[in-house]
Amino acid sequence: DTGVSQDPRHKITKRGQNVTFRCDPISEHNRLYWYRQTLGQGPEFLTYFQNEAQLEKSRLLSDRFSAERPKGSFSTLEIQRTEQGDSAMYLCASSLDRGRVKNIQYFGAGTRLSVL
Amino acid sequence: GQNIDQPTEMTATEGAIVQINCTYQTSGFNGLFWYQQHAGEAPTFLSYNVLDGLEEKGRFSSFLSRSKGYSYLLLKELQMKDSASYLCAVRFVSSNSGYALNFGKGTSLLVTP
Repeated sequence: DTGVSQDPRHKITKRGQNVTFRCDPISEHNRLYWYRQTLGQGPEFLTYFQNEAQLEKSRLLSDRFSAERPKGSFSTLEIQRTEQGDSAMYLCASSLDRGRVKNIQYFGAGTRLSVL
Repeated sequence: GQNIDQPTEMTATEGAIVQINCTYQTSGFNGLFWYQQHAGEAPTFLSYNVLDGLEEKGRFSSFLSRSKGYSYLLLKELQMKDSASYLCAVRFVSSNSGYALNFGKGTSLLVTP
């Protein structure tokens, strides 16, 4: 059973460019989450999917951010017209929803974005 | 608000016991999680509490008091590899909430020889 994988691990881009990150959740996990983490802070929730449906978006997710999970498996997070303030670690997590079960979220190692 | 507070830094000696506290606002509480995160790595799940009391798992234990909005993570027989950031995360129930976790800023634990 492989864990959550994210690609790329590191991304350096110039301000104004678009970037896209990919997350592959644990197989059969129906929930997928995106978080952002900056230095010295805990992860901050961005959005989550149940299967292919995007059910919640944080106010942190500006119009420049879009996320998809087209087939209910992998997900992509795109940031358009990047700004220096977008520099952060972008974490993906997945969980299995079984009603009353704990719904533990398992995290990937993240994609570290640096906007120059 | 859903402020989750935990100490910024702690230092402890190898072989000792350390307790990391976490407080949160109680309204809408639906579960508390502890994660360990080494620098540059993924947060790793340690424990989950939803009912009052102590959950023990090897060298790690976690306690919850829902009425007080308080939890702690207890690490016994500290090892050098336990030096990491420990994240307290709370799940709240709201009208539009799924299962998003709300994290504290993390407690950076340094274990010294």
